[in-house]
Amino acid sequence: GNSVTQMEGPVTLSEEAFLTINCTYTATGYPSLFWYVQYPGEGLQLLLKATKADDKGSNKGFEATYRKETTSFHLEKGSVQVSDSAVYFCALSLNDYKLSFGAGTTVTVRA
Amino acid sequence: DAGVIQSPRHEVTEMGQEVTLRCKPISGHDYLFWYRQTMMRGLELLIYFNNNVPIDDSGMPEDRFSAKMPNASFSTLKIQPSEPRDSAVYFCASSFWKGAETQYFGPGTRLLVL
Repeated sequence: GNSVTQMEGPVTLSEEAFLTINCTYTATGYPSLFWYVQYPGEGLQLLLKATKADDKGSNKGFEATYRKETTSFHLEKGSVQVSDSAVYFCALSLNDYKLSFGAGTTVTVRA
Repeated sequence: DAGVIQSPRHEVTEMGQEVTLRCKPISGHDYLFWYRQTMMRGLELLIYFNNNVPIDDSGMPEDRFSAKMPNASFSTLKIQPSEPRDSAVYFCASSFWKGAETQYFGPGTRLLVL
């Protein structure tokens, strides 16, 4: 089946630190890959996406590259801010609407 | 636009009671999705509607769960009778297209069944 595995949290960082959240996937076809972010008290928001191998998604200083050879889609940000504190979800989709989510990684950034 | 609106935001009930969760999608969106989020199972799609018609309800856990969409601006997810294992955060999402990345999520309803 299709599944997403992402690193467990929680992750606590200082402001301006480098953030990496690992995500690997298993899929029966060629999925699209996504990172969603959930800020406290809010619903999920699409952060970035990549639809084919070697694509790089980027938004708000975050980046992730679709690596088919390692079935990975790791999220990175070079310098985090307190406002980046949130839960981050890696997800895949094979048929456009059905999203398979990872368990989520809670990130806390301290001033 | 106000975004996807869900009510209530928090619900505490006792086992055996009926629970009704409500969702107002973004105006003009033809697709509506209900998700459940738990620590054990993460985020799961329960059901989705297109133009008020249920298309895929394969994620609905059992007969105690039912969902309706009587019109384009309102949907309900009902649990009757509720059980403690139904405790979770329930999200509603809507989109103008069924593509995954176009789904806009509501803030969720946190349900606790005692």
